[in-house]
Amino acid sequence: DAGITQSPRHKVTETGTPVTLRCHQTENHRYMYWYRQDPGHGLRLIHYSYGVKDTDKGEVSDGYSVSRSKTEDFLLTLESATSSQTSVYFCAISASGLAGVYNEQFFGPGTRLTVL
Amino acid sequence: SQQGEEDPQALSIQEGENATMNCSYKTSINNLQWYRQNSGRGLVHLILIRSNEREKHSGRLRVTLDTSKKSSSLLITASRAADTASYFCAFLNNAGNMLTFGGGTRLMVKP
Repeated sequence: DAGITQSPRHKVTETGTPVTLRCHQTENHRYMYWYRQDPGHGLRLIHYSYGVKDTDKGEVSDGYSVSRSKTEDFLLTLESATSSQTSVYFCAISASGLAGVYNEQFFGPGTRLTVL
Repeated sequence: SQQGEEDPQALSIQEGENATMNCSYKTSINNLQWYRQNSGRGLVHLILIRSNEREKHSGRLRVTLDTSKKSSSLLITASRAADTASYFCAFLNNAGNMLTFGGGTRLMVKP
């Protein structure tokens, strides 16, 4: 999985609790992404980062926030988890932006989150 | 949503046969990519075709792109049991800032 780790790999939590997922990379890639994968929806982009402290919203950003204080870590936070946020979350990285030359995305192993 | 559509949703074939998966999208694109996902794992990039290209090959993979029909196909020739996985197309918008994934095709190759 190309030097990308996600933690935790599995988490069960209750509605209303805060949850933080971590993505860590050792590739020194500038761009990092958070996706969620749900049956019948493929992957949908939540937020992405194009550098330290530079982030932007994706297609399904409501209810999520992100932070990137250093190149190697990209955190996804659910401030108050809801059952609709039960999903598998994937982190991805790329050396350049999606339209750049080195735009291939490398994906982490995923985090399975269940909100009861 | 600009979500792409893939068909079939599921495909079961015998080893040695060819597998064809199709992807359609609704807007103009910068490029279109295909990914593979094994059960319980992250996605792996297979091949990228740019909007000005019509066909691309990589090993046993052949990708075609028809921008007039807004569709792409992925052909896996001489399939193997190890090709069993889900395959996703993803297309990059012209602004270059949004990669949209299709719902995927689940391929099963029986030995």
